[in-house]
Amino acid sequence: IQMTQSPSLLSASVGDRVTLSCKAGQNINNYLAWYQQKLGEAPKLLIYNANSLQTGIPSRFSGSGSGTDYTLTISSLQPEDVATYFCQQYNSWWTFGGGTKLELK
Amino acid sequence: EVQLQESGPGLVKPSQSLSLTCSVTGYSITSSYRWNWIRKFPGNKLEWMGYINSAGSTNYNPSLKSRISITRDTSKNQFFLQVNSVTTEDTATYYCASLTGGWFAYWGQGTLVTVSS
Repeated sequence: IQMTQSPSLLSASVGDRVTLSCKAGQNINNYLAWYQQKLGEAPKLLIYNANSLQTGIPSRFSGSGSGTDYTLTISSLQPEDVATYFCQQYNSWWTFGGGTKLELK
Repeated sequence: EVQLQESGPGLVKPSQSLSLTCSVTGYSITSSYRWNWIRKFPGNKLEWMGYINSAGSTNYNPSLKSRISITRDTSKNQFFLQVNSVTTEDTATYYCASLTGGWFAYWGQGTLVTVSS
């Protein structure tokens, strides 16, 4: 299943509400995870089952969506949120989106 | 806490085999979870390669099935990746990760493998 993320690059200011999008090539039944990867680090699981927050992840991160369209929202952007964000579906095998690079404006 | 660490050669010649090790601490690979290899190509594309589960059964990405093998050494709590007949298109950062449900909860730091003569 092809996963398409948009935008590929996003510039935002500290305190902004940020929305990242992920679109699946077919209905993935909420079988979606989001990851954060900072430069030189391992990817970190943020969200699973489309909207369940992984233990230890700040509550400013949230996931939503259904069917083919999903969203990761950061309610108030912090400097430490600068990273690349990936979505991943597990409805059929396991495939990833191309990533959204989030930078500070 | 579950921790994973990849190791192996950073440079492999075309047509040769690529071999990597994932060392797991904080959890026994025979207890549960599925133990995976994932690679990230230049340009950020991520590809799931395959896994070995706690019972020792494997599952591979159909696009790679003819070229890869995932094995394990339970006495050392390690699992391994072998990719045969590599080309420059296998140049990537290789990660090991644990799979629970359908998501990858724990990842290693990754190891860059360059295929070049």
